[in-house]
Amino acid sequence: TQLLEQSPQFLSIQEGENLTVYCNSSSVFSSLQWYRQEPGEGPVLLVTVVTGGEVKKLKRLTFQFGDARKDSSLHITAAQPGDTGLYLCAGADAGNNRKLIWGLGTSLAVNP
Amino acid sequence: DARVTQTPRHKVTEMGQEVTMRCQPILGHNTVFWYRQTMMQGLELLAYFRNRAPLDDSGMPKDRFSAEMPDATLATLKIQPSEPRDSAVYFCASGSVGGPILYGYTFGSGTRLTVV
Repeated sequence: TQLLEQSPQFLSIQEGENLTVYCNSSSVFSSLQWYRQEPGEGPVLLVTVVTGGEVKKLKRLTFQFGDARKDSSLHITAAQPGDTGLYLCAGADAGNNRKLIWGLGTSLAVNP
Repeated sequence: DARVTQTPRHKVTEMGQEVTMRCQPILGHNTVFWYRQTMMQGLELLAYFRNRAPLDDSGMPKDRFSAEMPDATLATLKIQPSEPRDSAVYFCASGSVGGPILYGYTFGSGTRLTVV
């Protein structure tokens, strides 16, 4: 069974701090997505990474795909209360790229 | 902005009753998914359709759940009879899949189901 492990599970920080969350697997993915989910809403796609070693930036968020396409990280610089939410990573099965393998998420709380 | 529309947003029902959840995917998207989200299990894939044809419903309890896509603008998920363990948030998501790379999906706001 393919699994995506996300760490940490919970994170509570003060506004202005930096943080990194991780998404790890033993499986190779053809692509990997990061989503953010706010209470009462569905996940919203933040970014898709495709190439091993790829780095993408979205304002204060930096996403990296591992060289072997098995893991990824999300780094947030100078976190703000608006960054609060559940961050989910999802990998596209290299053998069936329509199906996503989901992590359980990192719940982030940024306190003012 | 194009969005995936789910109805109802909330549903409270008694055990044994039939529940139908509806989803309007984004026009032009050829793939539609139904997911269930709980705190313990996270997002679980129940079923998905490509070009309205069911491709995989292996994640769905067959004896009580059914998913259909009667036309390109409507996907339905039905539970009959409902049980308390079905209480969860059910999401519909749609996307365009054609090439070798999956770029991600657009999710609806979900239906929060409570079975008492």
